[in-house]
Amino acid sequence: DGGITQSPKYLFRKEGQNVTLSCEQNLNHDAMYWYRQDPGQGLRLIYYSQIVNDFQKGDIAEGYSVSREKKESFPLTVTSAQKNPTAFYLCASNKGLAGGGETQYFGPGTRLLVL
Amino acid sequence: GENVEQHPSTLSVQEGDSAVIKCTYSDSASNYFPWYKQELGKRPQLIIDIRSNVGEKKDQRIAVTLNKTAKHFSLHITETQPEDSAVYFCAASMGTGRRALTFGSGTRLQVQP
Repeated sequence: DGGITQSPKYLFRKEGQNVTLSCEQNLNHDAMYWYRQDPGQGLRLIYYSQIVNDFQKGDIAEGYSVSREKKESFPLTVTSAQKNPTAFYLCASNKGLAGGGETQYFGPGTRLLVL
Repeated sequence: GENVEQHPSTLSVQEGDSAVIKCTYSDSASNYFPWYKQELGKRPQLIIDIRSNVGEKKDQRIAVTLNKTAKHFSLHITETQPEDSAVYFCAASMGTGRRALTFGSGTRLQVQP
């Protein structure tokens, strides 16, 4: 877990504003994931990336965008099209398609609030 | 896609008692089943996991059982302690394809001292 960092810890978004959440890992993991957690609920997959320069939509991708230009980094942008962005956002990584690479490790999370 | 259901949503036990949380999954292709513990405002922490080629796995006071035929798996915590109080999530993923986790909705466990 200590190898995955997220920033900022808290983020405030104004109406119509795009904001970007940072996720960095130094575990040499190929795959990275973004999840959203609403109060009292489980985690839902937003986007994932199995390898650099490639990413796929998850179950709730609308209103979000990502990039994967470096192995270590997988930033998430919450766009103005996401009408209900208030949530706890968690980044995770694992070895990906490598054998035995299923175990996911989570970053500390970013709590996004709308002003 | 995969769907994971988790029960109960809340569980209260006395210190020293056992706690059992159950999950069912829908996709027979799923072959990896982790359990996470999440304390308030913190990240989920992996506590135990099991793969589909194993029926049971134990780590001190924690055990997980898997029934592939019935597509359900369970978390067992024995000799519960107040520090076990947290929200527990089960999850499932496939060994191929996206390999992302599909989570259950969580169980809030409260251990009464």
